[in-house]
Amino acid sequence: GQNIDQPTEMTATEGAIVQINCTYQTSGFNGLFWYQQHAGEAPTFLSYNVLDGLEEKGRFSSFLSRSKGYSYLLLKELQMKDSASYLCAVDNAGNMLTFGGGTRLMVKP
Amino acid sequence: EAQVTQNPRYLITVTGKKLTVTCSQNMNHEYMSWYRQDPGLGLRQIYYSMNVEVTDKGDVPEGYKVSRKEKRNFPLILESPSPNQTSLYFCASGPIDSNQPQHFGDGTRLSIL
Repeated sequence: GQNIDQPTEMTATEGAIVQINCTYQTSGFNGLFWYQQHAGEAPTFLSYNVLDGLEEKGRFSSFLSRSKGYSYLLLKELQMKDSASYLCAVDNAGNMLTFGGGTRLMVKP
Repeated sequence: EAQVTQNPRYLITVTGKKLTVTCSQNMNHEYMSWYRQDPGLGLRQIYYSMNVEVTDKGDVPEGYKVSRKEKRNFPLILESPSPNQTSLYFCASGPIDSNQPQHFGDGTRLSIL
């Protein structure tokens, strides 16, 4: 079966750093995606990891450990506009994604 | 502009009245998929298609049908909608290559009374 776990909610302060964790147990693994979704809007792509290690993209970084079934998304210099849900998704095979329940991040002034 | 277009964006209808949600993409993507999103449950895949005339069930296919007669279109059909199909629906498309992200439409909010 497929199981992807993320915290339901997190709160952080503007300007701070926050780490959103994702653990997974899936029957196949072709990579892990992180998406951002503002309330009522479509998910938008943030990052992709297939090899162990850290991928950095501006204020956002994503880390993967395949042996531990673990990933995290790191958001630096938080801004109010970063308040959104963050979705972890595993590519099981051929772009077939299984999503976690999403982490709702609230950024406070 | 590269996009995935869903219609309608909002629909309120009644139990049993057949409805179709259209999805069209202009990126020549092989892969298309339908998801529903419910509070506390995240995005769950309904059906997907790897190419024209190739469709397969996702995690929650009951009560839905799809077709893929053309590469750009992937309509979602509810033959006899029921209240438990009230949800936010997303269509997505992407290349077959695993390392490429899916692109999502803006969503369709369905309410079945």
